Amino acid sequence: QVQLVESGGGVVQPGGSLRLSCAASGFTFSSFGMHWVRQAPGKGLEWVAFIRYDGSYILYADSVKGRFTISRDNSKNTLFLQMNSLRTEDTSVYYCAKVPHWGMSDFDVWGQGTMVIVSS
Amino acid sequence: QSVLTQPPSVSAAPGQKVTISCSGSNSNIGNNYVSWYQQLPGTAPKLLIYDNNKRPSGIPDRFSGSKSGTSGTLGITGLQTGDEADYYCGTWDSSLSGVVFGGGTKLTVL
Repeated sequence: QVQLVESGGGVVQPGGSLRLSCAASGFTFSSFGMHWVRQAPGKGLEWVAFIRYDGSYILYADSVKGRFTISRDNSKNTLFLQMNSLRTEDTSVYYCAKVPHWGMSDFDVWGQGTMVIVSS
Repeated sequence: QSVLTQPPSVSAAPGQKVTISCSGSNSNIGNNYVSWYQQLPGTAPKLLIYDNNKRPSGIPDRFSGSKSGTSGTLGITGLQTGDEADYYCGTWDSSLSGVVFGGGTKLTVL
């Protein structure tokens, strides 16, 4: 079945870096755009970044622009989020989510999430 | 402060109907489709409604969506205790060039 599995979360000090991965299975990964969405503890959803199916078009939320980098390896069916200069306000569960065939601003499949804690 | 505005909470009795509103502006809801997501406690969000009023395969017709101007509405009929969850609206924002969400609405089935 269609599945997304995130990994790479953990505890990091402010100013540090972390790289998240999202392993996709059950669908043709190279044909679909992908997003990262995060959720701070007890808070709502916040969109983080989008990457087109072939990596040729990328968007970021203003809150992470210049610090985070989204990328993908279609040969390994894997999505990445490189997070640098981390701040305490980046503490969240990070979800990867698949774009459906009908539009890039929806999320039809979500991973289980990986927790990132930025703390000294 | 979320770009889209939702009521923090709604409640209703089992079997009843509830609606959840989502208010935005011309840069988001006014010129783009609205989607709705259900997040059960401790789980990832799940797509309920897309393109204002369409349901993905497997979503029961108790869930419905509509849009008027710069507002969207999620309707749930025949409420069940299993519907207790947080509900989020989302859409594209042309000014921000990104996806925006509402702050979420906690549904309690009394």
